[in-house]
Amino acid sequence: SAVISQKPSRDICQRGTSLTIQCQVDSQVTMMFWYRQQPGQSLTLIATANQGSEATYESGFVIDKFPISRPNLTFSTLTVSNLSPEDSSIYLCSVGTSNTDTQYFGPGTRLTVL
Amino acid sequence: GESVGLHLPTLSVQEGDNSIINCAYSNSASDYFIWYKQESGKGPQFIIDIRSNMDKRQGQRVTVLLNKTVKHLSLQIAATQPGDSAVYFCAENTGGFKTIFGAGTRLFVKA
Repeated sequence: SAVISQKPSRDICQRGTSLTIQCQVDSQVTMMFWYRQQPGQSLTLIATANQGSEATYESGFVIDKFPISRPNLTFSTLTVSNLSPEDSSIYLCSVGTSNTDTQYFGPGTRLTVL
Repeated sequence: GESVGLHLPTLSVQEGDNSIINCAYSNSASDYFIWYKQESGKGPQFIIDIRSNMDKRQGQRVTVLLNKTVKHLSLQIAATQPGDSAVYFCAENTGGFKTIFGAGTRLFVKA
């Protein structure tokens, strides 16, 4: 499976600021996704990062709050904007290939908003 | 609406015993199911998967059983070890990577 890295691994941010999270894969992948995992909870899909076009957002998530970029087949960023304490979560990048429906996850970014 | 749920939020087993983690799903159109293991501070790790044309699949020390009649999925871990302590998520997929995750079960392994 692909090796996925995320930066930063964790951060503490002030209310009202923004954080950009990077996801890097060691091989080209068809699909890249961003998930949120709130403390003690399961995973919720934020959006599908589309290469060369706007991301596809799930219900309850909007581009103004979670802008996403995907300039190529190995890299994507998620920005969490105008941070509030409710945004404190783990943010996870996952990838899928064209040969299988299986998703593989990065290590996650733990965000704490004060 | 679609949902994937788990019968027990926590499971405690003795080291060396077998563990069984259960999961119920509600979307009869789901045709692909995955179990993930998430250790503290890490991302979910793929364990095993099964497609709807099968009812059993075995891996190394793990077995997944699928009962489509009652929409039930289970993960069996043989000879549970302390390193198996983690949160386990079942997930269902209706095709095209759209994956829905269950609530998760925390497995504690007692030495």
